[in-house]
Amino acid sequence: GNSVTQMEGPVTLSEEAFLTINCTYTATGYPSLFWYVQYPGEGLQLLLKATKADDKGSNKGFEATYRKETTSFHLEKGSVQVSDSAVYFCALIRNSGGYQKVTFGTGTKLQVIP
Amino acid sequence: DVKVTQSSRYLVKRTGEKVFLECVQDMDHENMFWYRQDPGLGLRLIYFSYDVKMKEKGDIPEGYSVSREKKERFSLILESASTNQTSMYLCASRPPDRPYEQYFGPGTRLTVT
Repeated sequence: GNSVTQMEGPVTLSEEAFLTINCTYTATGYPSLFWYVQYPGEGLQLLLKATKADDKGSNKGFEATYRKETTSFHLEKGSVQVSDSAVYFCALIRNSGGYQKVTFGTGTKLQVIP
Repeated sequence: DVKVTQSSRYLVKRTGEKVFLECVQDMDHENMFWYRQDPGLGLRLIYFSYDVKMKEKGDIPEGYSVSREKKERFSLILESASTNQTSMYLCASRPPDRPYEQYFGPGTRLTVT
């Protein structure tokens, strides 16, 4: 079936460090891939997306490239800030019973310390 | 901006009680969803609705039901709450032509004692 695997957290980084959060997926066909972010006390927000192989999604300094050959969609940021502290979810869209449903990873908590 | 609101941020209920969680969105979205979020398990889909009076089971519907009498409102019902339903519940809505663009509410943290 379709699934998403993320690295376990928490990930603790100092401000201005480089961030990578790994995400791999298992899916039939070619799903669209996403990263969502959940700031403390809030619901999830769409951070970026990629709809086909080799697409690069980017937003707020974050990037992720859809790699079909390695079935990966790793999230990166060159220089993190304290305000990036949140939980990050990798996700894919799958077709199920004629409907499009989102499958989420388990989430990776990022803590950025000054 | 799309706004999705949930009736309570925190709720404490006793085992066996009937629990209603309400969700309202203000962007005229047809599609609405209920998830539960648990540590180490991520988000799991409970029920969803693609239109008024329409509902479909998600991946973990057991012990839950839903109601969608109006387009903007989607209610999750726990007929007889149990301790294993203690969780964070998230409601979401989305436009039908952009399935990835889900807008989430802030969540309701339900504790069943």
